[in-house]
Amino acid sequence: DTGVSQDPRHKITKRGQNVTFRCDPISEHNRLYWYRQTLGQGPEFLTYFQNEAQLEKSRLLSDRFSAERPKGSFSTLEIQRTEQGDSAMYLCASSLGRGSPLHFGNGTRLTVT
Amino acid sequence: AQTVTQSQPEMSVQEAETVTLSCTYDTSESDYYLFWYKQPPSRQMILVIRQEAYKQQNATENRFSVNFQKAAKSFSLKISDSQLGDAAMYFCAYLSETSGSRLTFGEGTQLTVNP
Repeated sequence: DTGVSQDPRHKITKRGQNVTFRCDPISEHNRLYWYRQTLGQGPEFLTYFQNEAQLEKSRLLSDRFSAERPKGSFSTLEIQRTEQGDSAMYLCASSLGRGSPLHFGNGTRLTVT
Repeated sequence: AQTVTQSQPEMSVQEAETVTLSCTYDTSESDYYLFWYKQPPSRQMILVIRQEAYKQQNATENRFSVNFQKAAKSFSLKISDSQLGDAAMYFCAYLSETSGSRLTFGEGTQLTVNP
């Protein structure tokens, strides 16, 4: 169990640019989640996958956000045409399934200038 | 929609003392799971304890225990013999498989441990 891995740890980008983050879950975990967290707040759900299927997506997620998990293993989260309001910590988590706790990665901190 | 409320934005405790963090939640489900997570300044979210709603027995993990009151929809965390390393933001979280499998978090309680 090497834990959930996220890359990069930090990303600074200019407004209007596209960014992509990667998440590698714990190998035997079939669920993968993306959350966003701003300072002093609890994580906010973005989307989740069961294997390669994206089963739920937050209504708060704009069309500029897209996530994939092509082979049911790693996942990518892309933000197009970034805005300053996208600045946050993006957390990835994985779990074994029903009722299992989520295991979180260290997150990717995005700063949009 | 399910909501989780942590009414204590900040709490403090003396080292070696006991502290209780409060959490309430709102749901119409009968089968669900509750969690406490800890997030130290390093920012990685760490699982502290898990409770299954259909189990009446309160979960315990070493110095951490919960008081689960299903009828009152209350799920408090007790930390005994507090240590300096317990200082962190603590989040209460709710998961139901029957209404989406997302984990819903409260606003968090910042715990300070004083030496």
